[in-house]
This record gives sequence, C-alpha cells and structure tokens, in this order.
Amino acid sequence: AQSVAQPEDQVNVAEGNPLTVKCTYSVSGNPYLFWYVQYPNRGLQFLLKYITGDNLVKGSYGFEAEFNKSQTSFHLKKPSALVSDSALYFCAVRDPSGTYKYIFGTGTRLKVLA
Amino acid sequence: NAGVTQTPKFQVLKTGQSMTLQCAQDMNHNSMYWYRQDPGMGLRLIYYSASEGTTDKGEVPNGYNVSRLNKREFSLRLESAAPSQTSVYFCAIILAGSSYNEQFFGPGTRLTVL
Repeated sequence: AQSVAQPEDQVNVAEGNPLTVKCTYSVSGNPYLFWYVQYPNRGLQFLLKYITGDNLVKGSYGFEAEFNKSQTSFHLKKPSALVSDSALYFCAVRDPSGTYKYIFGTGTRLKVLA
Repeated sequence: NAGVTQTPKFQVLKTGQSMTLQCAQDMNHNSMYWYRQDPGMGLRLIYYSASEGTTDKGEVPNGYNVSRLNKREFSLRLESAAPSQTSVYFCAIILAGSSYNEQFFGPGTRLTVL
C-alpha cells in the first residue's frame, strides 16, 4: 500500500539556521511528491513538487526539497529559517496507480525561534 | 484561497442531526476532493470526484455521502452526525493542465458534533 511518513511531530530551529523537515514514502512505481504548508486557521498551500528530472526542486518562500530514490525520501529544506516559517508542513504523494488520489503524511510542526 | 469557496466556515451540530458542506470552484477544473483533518492524523481523504457525475470513496467514507451535480460544486453530506465526525473539513481541486499538478485547497469548515 502507498504511504507517506513524517517521522517528526515537531521540529525546532533557531532563526537564521538551516532547517530540514523529513519525509519518506512507500509507493509502487514512480512517485509524484509534494510539500504543502498550513498556517493557523487556513487551508493548505502548495510549496513544491517533484515529478521527474532534477533531484533538487525549488519552491515558494525559499524552500527546496531533495528527492532521493535510494532512500525513498523527499526532505524539505531551507538554508536560513525565518520566524514566519513557523507552520504545519505536510508531505504528500500522488497514487501512481492511475487514480486521482493523494496520500498525506501526518504533518510536522515547525517552530522557528527568534 | 481564492477560487475555492467552502460554506459554512463553522458549524455546531447535535448528535443525529444532518447537514451538507458545500464546496464551489470557479476555475473550471475536473477533480475535486473532500478531506478531514484531525490532530496527529494529517489529512484523510473522504471522497473524491475525478469528473462531473463521478465519485469515488477515499480512505474514510463511512458516515458521509457526496454529490457532484455539476462541474463547479461538490457537496459533502452527513446524514446522522456523530461526535467522531468533529473535525476540520477541506475541499480541494487539482489545478488545470496535468493530472500531476498540485492540489488547491479551500479555507476549511470547522465542524463540532456534540
């Protein structure tokens, strides 16, 4: 069965430091991977995606993610964290079996400390 | 969240009452989704509709029904609400162009069942 795991419920990082939010996946076939961010009392907003091509993808607000096929990971990164990056982050994978389903991880709360 | 509207924003029901959550999109996209978000559970797919007139079950369809009568609207109905259905409900669409595109979310409906 397809699945997505975000092993950390919360990540704390000091402002200005690099941040990493982890995601691993289990799918049969080529994965289509996404990161979303959710601010309080809002819907999810798209950050970036990997479909094919370069393993390093760049997205909104200075975020990037690295696709690693051998480790089945798609970790979200940012070189220098901002307090305004504090939010809930979700990794998701599109079911490659031909349906239109997307499978979400349980989310990681990022807290950037001033 | 321009383009995807959800009504109502908040709702309190008593156990056994029924209600319909409405979702409408003005972007002429085919695929629409209903998710529920619960703490520690991430987003779980309730139902989705790949195109007008078609609907399919997601991960947690029990206790819900959906209706996709036209391209713009996708409604979610609770026939007999239960406290376990207390959650935040999000409607989402896939942006046009490719089936590998990201989802675009509405602002959510916060439902409490007493």
